[in-house]
Amino acid sequence: GAVVSQHPSWVICKSGTSVKIECRSLDFQATTMFWYRQFPKQSLMLMATSNEGSKATYEQGVEKDKFLINHASLTLSTLTVTSAHPEDSSFYICSAALGGADTQYFGPGTRLTVL
Amino acid sequence: QQPVQSPQAVILREGEDAVINCSSSKALYSVHWYRQKHGEAPVFLMILLKGGEQKGHDKISASFNEKKQQSSLYLTASQLSYSGTYFCGTEIGGRQLTFGSGTQLTVLP
Repeated sequence: GAVVSQHPSWVICKSGTSVKIECRSLDFQATTMFWYRQFPKQSLMLMATSNEGSKATYEQGVEKDKFLINHASLTLSTLTVTSAHPEDSSFYICSAALGGADTQYFGPGTRLTVL
Repeated sequence: QQPVQSPQAVILREGEDAVINCSSSKALYSVHWYRQKHGEAPVFLMILLKGGEQKGHDKISASFNEKKQQSSLYLTASQLSYSGTYFCGTEIGGRQLTFGSGTQLTVLP
């Protein structure tokens, strides 16, 4: 149980384009989903907390207009990187928390490369 | 505030033991331990909620000190599959986790 999927696994795009990443909880309903970014050999940095049906809460320094988050249902959250630039290239990972529980289950991650 | 993890890296032979520490300057609501292999997402190992708690599974266990500011992960009789980067994630409330910088564990045959 507690499986989280992400799509796509990897994406390569040109500078200036937008990329959408989907995060799905497959076998449970997630009232809260989290989006992280991880640069090579570094720790996971929380970007935003997404609650179903409400606006995401962004961490300090994360541009909400650049990283659009939508949590339309209890099983799906999306992250759209708008007008991507090479410095946005990173490993993006989502996690989902079971309602009322503390454990976060991570998706397999999406590797974004912006040329 | 990011928790401090130590050591940064450790190399072991199969069958040897290791301890990874995670410290915070503030009392924590919970500590979460994850293992991440290269190019993959972190895999949940365990969560500790109570001061003085110890728990484990197979040969991996963890403790949370009474003041809830320090946790240790114990790997006993390490196996090749234990190799990876271990992260502690700390929670001070609100369900958001702040992750330490990671400990790279390499188990050699």
